[in-house]
Amino acid sequence: QSVLTQPPSASGTPGQRVTISCSGSSSSIGSNYVSWYQQLPGTAPRLLIYGNNQRPSGVPDRFSGSKSGTSASLAISGLRSEDEADYYCAAWDDSLTWVFGGGTKLTVL
Amino acid sequence: QITLKESDPTLVKPTQTLTLTCTFSGFSLSTSGVGLGWIRQPPGKALEWLALIYWDDDKRYSPSLRSRLTITKDTSRNQVVLTMTNMDPVDTATYFCAHEAAGDYFDYWGQGTVVTVSS
Repeated sequence: QSVLTQPPSASGTPGQRVTISCSGSSSSIGSNYVSWYQQLPGTAPRLLIYGNNQRPSGVPDRFSGSKSGTSASLAISGLRSEDEADYYCAAWDDSLTWVFGGGTKLTVL
Repeated sequence: QITLKESDPTLVKPTQTLTLTCTFSGFSLSTSGVGLGWIRQPPGKALEWLALIYWDDDKRYSPSLRSRLTITKDTSRNQVVLTMTNMDPVDTATYFCAHEAAGDYFDYWGQGTVVTVSS
């Protein structure tokens, strides 16, 4: 069982905006930055968001992150077929470990 | 340009010890603030963080696997080695190494290597 809680699935139609939630605790999300990763089938995870809401170079601005208290969210606007992937949140925990979410499978209908 | 590559896929028998090597380039593990971690993913399942080593040789381990894991670095060879003892079929997974930036995120990942545990 993952320490950070994500919905197992999400879906949307092309052009829509979808959000994926990530719930943690005061020692993880509540105290540290959240990062998000996109994993296409058969590939390694790719950093999508860091520092709660920062995008690395090359990540479209359709992707955005936010954090409030012990929860975080990833929003994808203008949904595209190529966004169909698994998405994971992660955060450092004050117990000196990394924690990941259970992942959300995004389907573009 | 930062790149990381895990050792080749391997098949290990139950109770054996797994040794994985991550060979990297584009950064030094002797530079302040740099870390390198190992994360695994069983087939069809979520990512699970295993271990992390820092530039100053500080090490962190997943509490649930701490007794079975050892992480070491060879700065001169730009390699990090993870050993996991007493392997079990449930340890079958793709194992990734990743560069940790500023203690806050993993910005570069290796392609992953498949480890199969079977007799």
